[in-house]
Formats: sequence, structure tokens, C-alpha cells
Amino acid sequence: DVKVTQSSRYLVKRTGEKVFLECVQDMDHENMFWYRQDPGLGLRLIYFSYDVKMKEKGDIPEGYSVSREKKERFSLILESASTNQTSMYLCASSIQGSHQPQHFGDGTRLSIL
Amino acid sequence: AQKVTQAQTEISVVEKEDVTLDCVYETRDTTYYLFWYKQPPSGELVFLIRRNSFDEQNEISGRYSWNFQKSTSSFNFTITASQVVDSAVYFCALRRVSGGSYIPTFGRGTSLIVHP
Repeated sequence: DVKVTQSSRYLVKRTGEKVFLECVQDMDHENMFWYRQDPGLGLRLIYFSYDVKMKEKGDIPEGYSVSREKKERFSLILESASTNQTSMYLCASSIQGSHQPQHFGDGTRLSIL
Repeated sequence: AQKVTQAQTEISVVEKEDVTLDCVYETRDTTYYLFWYKQPPSGELVFLIRRNSFDEQNEISGRYSWNFQKSTSSFNFTITASQVVDSAVYFCALRRVSGGSYIPTFGRGTSLIVHP
């Protein structure tokens, strides 16, 4: 069965810390995505990767970076966490191709204090 | 540019009622794919259905049905005889076929609350 695993379900960090959110998929998918979900705003794409070491900025990349050193792992990095980055973060993956659905992880609820 | 609009932010129904979730999209492409996802309280979005732009047949899966009308750029989702387990946030999404990276465009979601 398809599985996208996010390293933490809940995370609490302090302002200014460097925060790593990890996502692993076991389906050999080419595409991986990071979204944040906020009430009333739906899903907003932060970054997208279509291959190892390849990345594209999404709609809201400011304050974030990503790393994809291996095909199965896509990391989201908050360089210096701020309170406005408190949110639910969702990772997804999909096979290459526009007709393919995305598979999502359970999400990480991140609080920045 | 593409856009997906889910005008209903929240819908509240009583169990066994039928409910329709609206999805209206905008795209200049002639070929594209539309999706519906369900996000239960546990958080994980689950894929429900995919429809390509050339297939306007309606689809029924148990209590779920989807109505795709290209003429009105709509892809609406109906739950018949709703149940408490249907309570979730539902997202409609559109994905291009051409243009490179196939990044999907999501609507803002509709929160469905089914009361017992």
C-alpha cells in the first residue's frame, strides 16, 4: 500500500530556531510536494520537487527551503522559524504525469512559540 | 492561470440528508484532469476520484456521485444519505496536462459537518 510518512505529527519550536520537517515515501514517486494548510486558505504550495536535487518554488516559498538528496525523502527547512509559520504542513507525492493523484502524509502540526 | 473555486466554506447537514459540494474551475487548457480529495479529522488527504476533461460521464461510487459539466466548468460532488463518517474537509483540484511541472491547483476546501 502507498505510504507517505511525515516524521512528526506535532512539533513545538521557538522563534529563530532552524526547523526540519521530514517526509519519506515508499512508492518510488518522482514528484514530491510540501504544502501548508491554514484555516480559510486551503492548501498552499511551498515547494515542489520533480526529481532528486531538483526543486521548484511554489506559491509561498519565502522563509522556507527544501532538500531532496534521495528520491524517497523530501525535507522542508524553516531557516529561522517565526510565529507566522505556525501551521499544518502536508507532504505529498505522486508518480510523474498530470493524471496521477497525489498521496498525502498525515501532516505535521507545527507551533512556533 | 488556473483557478478552482469552492464557494461553500462550510456545510452542516443532519445524517441521511443528501448534500452537494460545488467545484467551479477556470483554465485555458482544453486537456486537464480534475480531482476530489477527502481530509478527515485525522489530517491525511485521501484521493477520491479523477476525471479527465474529455470524459463528461457522471460517476457513481456507492453513496458518492460526481457530476462533471464542461459547459459550466463545474465538477460537483454529491453524497447521498450522508453519514457522520462523511464529516471532513473536501478539496477539489485541477491539474494541467501540458506546461511542464503539472503542479495541481486546489480549491480552498469545503468543510462538511454531518450531525447525528
